[in-house]
Amino acid sequence: QVQLVQSGAEVKKPGASVKVSCKASGYTFSGYDINWVRQATGQGLEWMGWVNPKSANTGYAQRFQGRVTMTMSTSTSTAYMELSSLTSEDTAVYYCVRYFSDSSGYYTKGGDYWGQGTLVTVSS
Amino acid sequence: EIVLTQPPGTLSLSPGERAALSCRASQIVSSDYLGWYQQKPGQAPRLLIYGASRRATGIPDRFSGSGSGTDFTLTISRLEPEDSAVYYCQQYGISPLTFGGGTKVEIK
Repeated sequence: QVQLVQSGAEVKKPGASVKVSCKASGYTFSGYDINWVRQATGQGLEWMGWVNPKSANTGYAQRFQGRVTMTMSTSTSTAYMELSSLTSEDTAVYYCVRYFSDSSGYYTKGGDYWGQGTLVTVSS
Repeated sequence: EIVLTQPPGTLSLSPGERAALSCRASQIVSSDYLGWYQQKPGQAPRLLIYGASRRATGIPDRFSGSGSGTDFTLTISRLEPEDSAVYYCQQYGISPLTFGGGTKVEIK
């Protein structure tokens, strides 16, 4: 069965970086984009960006440009999201999400599988 | 970016009642790229509806989606206690992908 398993909770100091992993199984890793979505406690969902495992192309939400890097390892079917220059406002649960895109690059189905989430706490 | 608005913040309904959740977009969204998610406390969101009206795998038929243009609706035809959750709409056709603020459904 399809699974996205994320790395464990992290506690970071302001100004530090965090790297969250998302290991995929149960499907062809290169066939789906991985998107990252975050959620602060008690708040809504915020889209951060995507990475295409086949091309390694990425796209980021403007507010994270220059601060986020999304990568992947096809050999281990793992996607990574690194966020730098952390502040307390980055305290949130971070999710990886699988999306299928058609030949034109459009997502056809929405995020059909989600990781369990990784809590990142930024505190001095 | 496309802003999605989900009024009201909370719906409080009884089991067996019908719930109609609204999602309004700041500009036209292709029906092909509108989805709905359910999130229960402490859990990741779950895809319910994609393409505005298509149920995702394993989703009960009491959940249905409709709408076009800038107005979309998620309908839960007969509420059950386990439907208590926050429901989010999302457009995934134009970058940046955006979510609505969510509607909380409480079961009395």
